[in-house]
Amino acid sequence: DQQVKQNSPSLSVQEGRISILNCDYTNSMFDYFLWYKKYPAEGPTFLISISSIKDKNEDGRFTVFLNKSAKHLSLHIVPSQPGDSAVYFCAASGSGGSNYKLTFGKGTLLTVNP
Amino acid sequence: DAGVIQSPRHEVTEMGQEVTLRCKPISGHNSLFWYRQTMMRGLELLIYFNNNVPIDDSGMPEDRFSAKMPNASFSTLKIQPSEPRDSAVYFCASSFRAGFDEQYFGPGTRLTVT
Repeated sequence: DQQVKQNSPSLSVQEGRISILNCDYTNSMFDYFLWYKKYPAEGPTFLISISSIKDKNEDGRFTVFLNKSAKHLSLHIVPSQPGDSAVYFCAASGSGGSNYKLTFGKGTLLTVNP
Repeated sequence: DAGVIQSPRHEVTEMGQEVTLRCKPISGHNSLFWYRQTMMRGLELLIYFNNNVPIDDSGMPEDRFSAKMPNASFSTLKIQPSEPRDSAVYFCASSFRAGFDEQYFGPGTRLTVT
């Protein structure tokens, strides 16, 4: 059973517009959430994270929003650039002794068109 | 730093053969992770080492899989005997402090078992 779900396998956006990638989770023990970005033939690279004590975290063009009651998080990229075209993975971890364990969604392929 | 190094980048082997995947983590990182990515299951944690000691191998699919970390700068993932369903991309990742610091991923090894 998937505990982290990214229901959109792909998303296409025009350059300069906002990209919104969504992620849902089912495990209420998750308290730390991350987004990773992956280019073809490379490993995932860390993009941004958020703790469950916050509802928003911003880093430049990237903002992650967390809605704990809905068990939903989203990544906003504004403005989108062609170089942002990649697969984006949402990941979650719990607290305590298992905080090392990341559970990943299956990813969303973002294409930013010039 | 060169980042996490994995070898080989591609491996094609026949069913029943032994396969060994190699990983060199980032110098100074105390935690090492092996992941497997498939279309069906996405990115899954196979095993986690802390200070060269296996802490969690609950993700290792079966006894045909084994992993070792003889020292802080080297780890192997072995599959013996290999089967076609083992075909996947295998990633190694390392972090300074598991659960507190981001994980840095290697480029992966694409394994094809025919």
